[in-house]
Amino acid sequence: DGGITQSPKYLFRKEGQNVTLSCEQNLNHDAMYWYRQDPGQGLRLIYYSQIVNDFQKGDIAEGYSVSREKKESFPLTVTSAQKNPTAFYLCASSIVVGGDQPQHFGDGTRLSIL
Amino acid sequence: DAKTTQPTSMDCAEGRAANLPCNHSTISGNEYVYWYRQIHSQGPQYIIHGLKNNETNEMASLIITEDRKSSTLILPHATLRDTAVYYCIVRVAVPGNQFYFGTGTSLTVIP
Repeated sequence: DGGITQSPKYLFRKEGQNVTLSCEQNLNHDAMYWYRQDPGQGLRLIYYSQIVNDFQKGDIAEGYSVSREKKESFPLTVTSAQKNPTAFYLCASSIVVGGDQPQHFGDGTRLSIL
Repeated sequence: DAKTTQPTSMDCAEGRAANLPCNHSTISGNEYVYWYRQIHSQGPQYIIHGLKNNETNEMASLIITEDRKSSTLILPHATLRDTAVYYCIVRVAVPGNQFYFGTGTSLTVIP
């Protein structure tokens, strides 16, 4: 089945440690996105990419980094510079051509600090 | 992108139609209306979207007023599995343009 796979489902980070969240899609979508969701709040955009080897900062990019070396993969690294990383992280993808097409989401990774 | 206003929470009896309103009085002519829902600890699920005309798919119907300042998502026969947070989003359909998710409406379907 086509879809977006995020791993791991739960992740724990020690203070001062970088961690990488995986996002893979087999929908052949051009665009991929990373959002952060805090309890009781909406989603906030961290980074997005419309094409391989290109990505743009969203509203809350500080303390995060991404790469887009392959069309199907868009990993997110939460660096030690992100002082409040505990959150639910969601990856999404969409077809770029025909810009009204919806984004489709994975089931998220919940990151906690030890 | 235009701002949306939704009620914080709603209840609906199982088997009845659930009508979820959304106000987007500042919507511009090139902004689409999208609806998503999110069940606890899962990613948002796309439901439906439209520009001007009413839309229907296997999940729901979207009714957009003629002036486009408000819309209603209709789940025709609500089930317990429809209990979720429902988000109404308006967005200019530019490739790569992000979706702004607010806090949505928490719908509880009651047996």
